Formats: sequence, C-alpha cells, structure tokens
Amino acid sequence: GDSVTQMEGPVTLSEEAFLTINCTYTATGYPSLFWYVQYPGEGLQLLLKATKADDKGSNKGFEATYRKETTSFHLEKGSVQVSDSAVYFCALRPNRDDKIIFGKGTRLHILP
Amino acid sequence: NAGVMQNPRHLVRRRGQEARLRCSPMKGHSHVYWYRQLPEEGLKFMVYLQKENIIDESGMPKERFSAEFPKEGPSILRIQQVVRGDSAAYFCASSPVEGPYTGELFFGEGSRLTVL
Repeated sequence: GDSVTQMEGPVTLSEEAFLTINCTYTATGYPSLFWYVQYPGEGLQLLLKATKADDKGSNKGFEATYRKETTSFHLEKGSVQVSDSAVYFCALRPNRDDKIIFGKGTRLHILP
Repeated sequence: NAGVMQNPRHLVRRRGQEARLRCSPMKGHSHVYWYRQLPEEGLKFMVYLQKENIIDESGMPKERFSAEFPKEGPSILRIQQVVRGDSAAYFCASSPVEGPYTGELFFGEGSRLTVL
C-alpha cells in the first residue's frame, strides 16, 4: 500500500549547518507530498507542499522538490537555526478524497 | 480565530475503563481527522469524519473504538475497556471543505492517554 519512509533521527546539527532530511514514498497514481513540523508541546503544522512532479515547495528557508523518478521529497535548509529544533514529518495524499499518510517523523536538534 | 481544541490534554485511565477524547475543529471547518501516535512511531490515521457522517474509518480498530462528529458539538473519540496498548497521543485535525484536496490539515495539541 501507500507509504512514506523518512530517515530516522535524531539528527543533531550545529547552528548554520546545512540540513537534509530524506523522504521517499510508495504510492499509486499521482500523490501530493507534504512536510509537516511539530514544535515541542504543539500540534503539527504544514511546512510546505508540492502537488505534482518537479514542483518545489518552500517556506521559512526550507525547500523540497517532488522527484517522481526517484520517488523522493527530501527536505533541505541551507542554514539551520536553534529555533528549527522540532520533529519533521513527511506525508503524502495518494489521491483526491484520501486521508494523509505520515512517515514516522525525524527529530532534529540544533545546537547553538 | 481559535485553533483546533482538544481536551483533555492528559488522561489517565485504568485497564477496563472508558476514555473519551474531544475535539473542536477550527471555526468554519467541516472535516475532522483522528490520528494516533504511539511511542517511537509516526502518526497513524484512524478515522475521517464530516458532520454526522463517517467518511473513512479504515484505520480504526474493529473493537472498542468509535468516533462521532455530531451536528452540534465536538467530535468524540471513544475507547471502551482500555488496555495498556491504547496508551498513546491522539491527535485531531480539521480542514475546510477543500482540505482533502489541498492536503492542509490543522492539528490540535493532542490528548495523551495513559492506561495504568
């Protein structure tokens, strides 16, 4: 069935380092892809999304490109900040009317 | 504009008791989703509801679990005869009518159930 696989955490980086969190998916049809972020003690928030192949989603300095040929949607940021410490979830919506399927989440720690 | 409100934030139950978790969606949202997050695991879809209608309950355990979203009032996730394996964080999310198409869900802060 449809699923999302993302790299296991925790990921620990120093401030201003480059970030990549890998995400690959398995889905039939043409899914939409998302990254959600969960800050400590809060609910999940949509960070960015892409709805078709080669689309690039971006927000708050984060980017992810929908790569159909590699079935991937890796999250990147050029220079992380301490405030980026959170859990990041890759997700997909297989097709219209379907629920959103989440990966297990990757915990990110940024050290000052 | 208040966000998605879940209560209680923390709930402790003994084995065999009932747990009721409530979710008030954002104003104007007509779709509610429930997800469960077990320790060290991701979010698992449980059920998707619209007012007075269950759209997709493919993630709900067949026994002891039920959900409703009445015409008036919050959505309720009910777990009867709880067992230790039900201990988890339960997240509610809501979306406007176009939510299933845009994929943007608005999440509450979760209800953490502990079964002793």
